[in-house]
Formats: sequence, C-alpha cells, structure tokens
Amino acid sequence: DVKVTQSSRYLVKRTGEKVFLECVQDMDHENMFWYRQDPGLGLRLIYFSYDVKMKEKGDIPEGYSVSREKKERFSLILESASTNQTSMYLCASIYRGEQPQHFGDGTRLSIL
Amino acid sequence: GENVEQHPSTLSVQEGDSAVIKCTYSDSASNYFPWYKQELGKRPQLIIDIRSNVGEKKDQRIAVTLNKTAKHFSLHITETQPEDSAVYFCAAPPRGSARQLTFGSGTQLTVLP
Repeated sequence: DVKVTQSSRYLVKRTGEKVFLECVQDMDHENMFWYRQDPGLGLRLIYFSYDVKMKEKGDIPEGYSVSREKKERFSLILESASTNQTSMYLCASIYRGEQPQHFGDGTRLSIL
Repeated sequence: GENVEQHPSTLSVQEGDSAVIKCTYSDSASNYFPWYKQELGKRPQLIIDIRSNVGEKKDQRIAVTLNKTAKHFSLHITETQPEDSAVYFCAAPPRGSARQLTFGSGTQLTVLP
C-alpha cells in the first residue's frame, strides 16, 4: 500500500517566517504534488514535480516555492509566511501517469 | 485548463435514502474521473473512478455515471449510512496531462440517523 507521509499534522508559525512543509512517499513515485485545501474551494494545485530537481507551477504558486532533491521527498516552502497562507496543505503522489493520486494526512498550518 | 464544477456544496439525507452529487467538466478530451471521500481530519481517499470508455461503474452501494456528450459525471450512494458522512470531491485531468487533476469544490454530505 502506498504511504505518503507529511512531517507535521499541525504547525503554527509567525508572519514573515520561512516555513518548510515536508512530504515523503515510499513507492518510488516520479510525480508529487502540493495542494492547498480551503472550505468551498476544494483542492487547488500549488506546485508539482515530475522528477528529481524538476518542478512546475500549478494554479496558485504565488508566495510558494518547492524543492525536490530526492525522488522520495518533495518540500513546500513559504519564503515569508503571511496570514492568508493559513490553510490545510496536502501532498500527493502517483507513479508515472497511473492514477489515482495518493494523499498524505495533511498539514494544518496557522500563520499568526 | 480544466474547469470542474461540483453541486451541491452541502447535502443532508436521512439514513437509508440515496445521495447524488454531480460534477461538470469543460475539457472534452478528459478521460478519467475519480471521486474522493475525505472524512473529518483524514486524508482524501479514492472511493471510485471511471474512465471515458464506460458509462457506469458500480461498487456495492456506490456508483458513478458518466455522460460524455453533456460533460458531466455523478456519484450515487444508495442506502446511506452515518459513516458515509464526509466531504466528497470529484476531479478530472486538465487538457494534455494524464498526471494532474483539477478538483471540484467539494460536497459536505451529512447522513442523519
């Protein structure tokens, strides 16, 4: 069974801080995704990666960056956190083009 | 890109009744349509999916129907139970990508005992 692990379930940070959210998958999946989930807006794609060191912008990349130095790990970075980035963040992965996407448990991030 | 609209945003049904959630998509080339269930505090999990070469798929109490001409697909849950209470998301791949998904805005289903 695919296991996608996000490093924190809950995180509280202050505005202006640099924030790292980590995601690790154990199934050698090439493709990894970061979503943001807000009530009434569904899941919106922030960034995704097709392979190591590769990244593509999703629908809402502003204020975020990502890092994929190893195949199993995909990091989301908030360069200077702001209160409007308070949200639930979900990581997902798939093998090549074989749906479905497998999700982590999510990180609920609060920016104060 | 793909635009996926999901209705209703909230749905309450009595235990034992049926529930139907509908999604429309914009890209006629889309060929894969999953439904995810997210219980409170948990990860979204795939419950059923359908590919564009079939019109209906069933798995026990849940079914998905697809109308390619009208570009909409629906989730049907029969004999609902309290444990069906959750947020349900539909999704479809954007044009030119088999790996990405565009999600609907979600439906909060509440099954009343």
